[in-house]
Amino acid sequence: EVQLVESGGGLVQPGGSLRLSCAASGFTFSDYWMNWVRQAPGKGLEWVANMNQDGSKKFYVDSVKGRFTMSRDNAKSSLYLQVNSLRVEDTALYYCTRGSIWSSDYWGQGTLVTVSS
Amino acid sequence: DVVMTQSPLSLPVTLGQPASISCRSSQSLVYSDGNTYLIWFQQRPGQSPRRLIYKVSNRDSGVPDRFSGSGSGTDFTLKISRVEAEDVGVYYCMQGTHWPPTFGQGTKVEIK
Repeated sequence: EVQLVESGGGLVQPGGSLRLSCAASGFTFSDYWMNWVRQAPGKGLEWVANMNQDGSKKFYVDSVKGRFTMSRDNAKSSLYLQVNSLRVEDTALYYCTRGSIWSSDYWGQGTLVTVSS
Repeated sequence: DVVMTQSPLSLPVTLGQPASISCRSSQSLVYSDGNTYLIWFQQRPGQSPRRLIYKVSNRDSGVPDRFSGSGSGTDFTLKISRVEAEDVGVYYCMQGTHWPPTFGQGTKVEIK
């Protein structure tokens, strides 16, 4: 069974940092593109970033470029999102999803990032 | 960015009756490989999104056949042939043809 389990969220002040993690199981992690998608409380979905199988290609939406860094460890079947210089508008539930941008066939349960003073 | 516009945003439906959600894109979603990367997701209350339909009309494994997707170019539709109580939630279309991927605003389906 495919499972994606995010962790690392929390309450942080504006300008702060967090490292989000996504532990994958039930499939060969190194075979798949992976993504981060976020959802502000009570709002819709927003793509954040994605990465290819070996981590050599990474793409970010403009609103997070230069502040967020996506990485992966295929040996540990884990995906990461380093989020720096956080803003109030980054407050959201962060999901990791499996597959290319035209796939996203499995989603985790999300980890909540709250940016507030 | 490609703008995805869903309508209606709220859809009260009687159990057993059909429902239809429209999704329009600001640009054609036909990719250079000939595929159209339009996906439909269902998000039940308190749950993560679940993919229902990919590449316009392909139903995911385990998705009831009362769900169907259709459309082409810039105009797409998700239909539920007979709404059941478990279909309550928010439905999102998403395009994966152009970077960045973008979602519609969501359509909330509720039972009358």
